[in-house]
Amino acid sequence: GENVEQHPSTLSVQEGDSAVIKCTYSDSASNYFPWYKQELGKRPQLIIDIRSNVGEKKDQRIAVTLNKTAKHFSLHITETQPEDSAVYFCAASRGGGNKLTFGTGTQLKVEL
Amino acid sequence: DTAVSQTPKYLVTQMGNDKSIKCEQNLGHDTMYWYKQDSKKFLKIMFSYNNKELIINETVPNRFSPKSPDKAHLNLHINSLELGDSAVYFCASSQDPPETQYFGPGTRLLVL
Repeated sequence: GENVEQHPSTLSVQEGDSAVIKCTYSDSASNYFPWYKQELGKRPQLIIDIRSNVGEKKDQRIAVTLNKTAKHFSLHITETQPEDSAVYFCAASRGGGNKLTFGTGTQLKVEL
Repeated sequence: DTAVSQTPKYLVTQMGNDKSIKCEQNLGHDTMYWYKQDSKKFLKIMFSYNNKELIINETVPNRFSPKSPDKAHLNLHINSLELGDSAVYFCASSQDPPETQYFGPGTRLLVL
């Protein structure tokens, strides 16, 4: 089955800096890669996703890149703000009714 | 309007008891899920139903039994609760699995 590894497990940045979270996956048939943000005590919420026919996708301050050859994808957050502090999860799936396999999460802390 | 709701929000119970968690979605989605998030924040799928039919059944003890009376509802019944069952249980739904999953607020289960 699919295995998703996520690094780092914790990340501390200064407000205004960029943050990068990296994930690798094992199943070369995976074609759907979402990222979820989970604030303390809250539910996970989708912030961005990318499909295997696209190499990069951007939405305001967040962007995701995908390297299918190397089987890794990354989340980039620019101009970080305190409200970006949360746990971020990457995930991967083959699509078409198959399950999402989540990474182990990254606790991002944005310090003033 | 709440898209995915769960009851109860908190559940504290003794080992050996039987308990149920209920989930409802008003998004018109065809697929619903149960996830378990442990104390280390690992998010793992347990079950998935598509139009009341079980499509994903991970390696979960058979003390856990999901039931979907209709496509808007997915309940989780747990028999003979154990200490290790303590976790946050999230319900989620999506239109086309596994795309954009909307999570419920979670049920925090504590087994004493």
